[in-house]
Amino acid sequence: NAGVTQTPKFQVLKTGQSMTLQCAQDMNHNSMYWYRQDPGMGLRLIYYSASEGTTDKGEVPNGYNVSRLNKREFSLRLESAAPSQTSVYFCASSYRAGGDTGELFFGEGSRLTVL
Amino acid sequence: AQSVTQLGSHVSVSEGALVLLRCNYSSSVPPYLFWYVQYPNQGLQLLLKYTSAATLVKGINGFEAEFKKSETSFHLTKPSAHMSDAAEYFCAVTEYYNNNDMRFGAGTRLTVKP
Repeated sequence: NAGVTQTPKFQVLKTGQSMTLQCAQDMNHNSMYWYRQDPGMGLRLIYYSASEGTTDKGEVPNGYNVSRLNKREFSLRLESAAPSQTSVYFCASSYRAGGDTGELFFGEGSRLTVL
Repeated sequence: AQSVTQLGSHVSVSEGALVLLRCNYSSSVPPYLFWYVQYPNQGLQLLLKYTSAATLVKGINGFEAEFKKSETSFHLTKPSAHMSDAAEYFCAVTEYYNNNDMRFGAGTRLTVKP
């Protein structure tokens, strides 16, 4: 039972380079999320997709783009990486229907360093 | 927007001692509250959640939390710490009308001394 799978797990970029973080879930969840985790700041929501075909900005969307490719997959793209984007990125998913309270299921994280 | 504040970035207890991790929330509507745990190099996993059904919530691994509206708090407790409880703990809040936007606290790192 894979759950939420993220790739790559580690990446080093130079300032200005671009890259895409991939995320896939096999739990038939409707909603998917991208968070970043920084020391002393907890997790901050970058973007989310409430359902296939929709995406919305979270708390810190600047410098990122997302694509909900299908129900299973949600990718995060950095078009021109900056050192401030050095962080650990987590993808999460939840089954959201009716009154569901949206417990999140997380991947293991992708550690990105921008030099 | 809703938010949570976790008091104490680091908490250290002896094995067998009480664990108390503090969380206060801010929300303009009745909140839904969560505690997640993160072990080293892993993603977060749910410990327990408050969804207005009962104010005292029991979770996995012997943890529980009590929702106190008058104090806007949702503190996490465990009567007797075990070495395996060493991890980082995050409190989180979401508001039902926009429950795709879950906000996390900064986290509390729990150390358990033998």
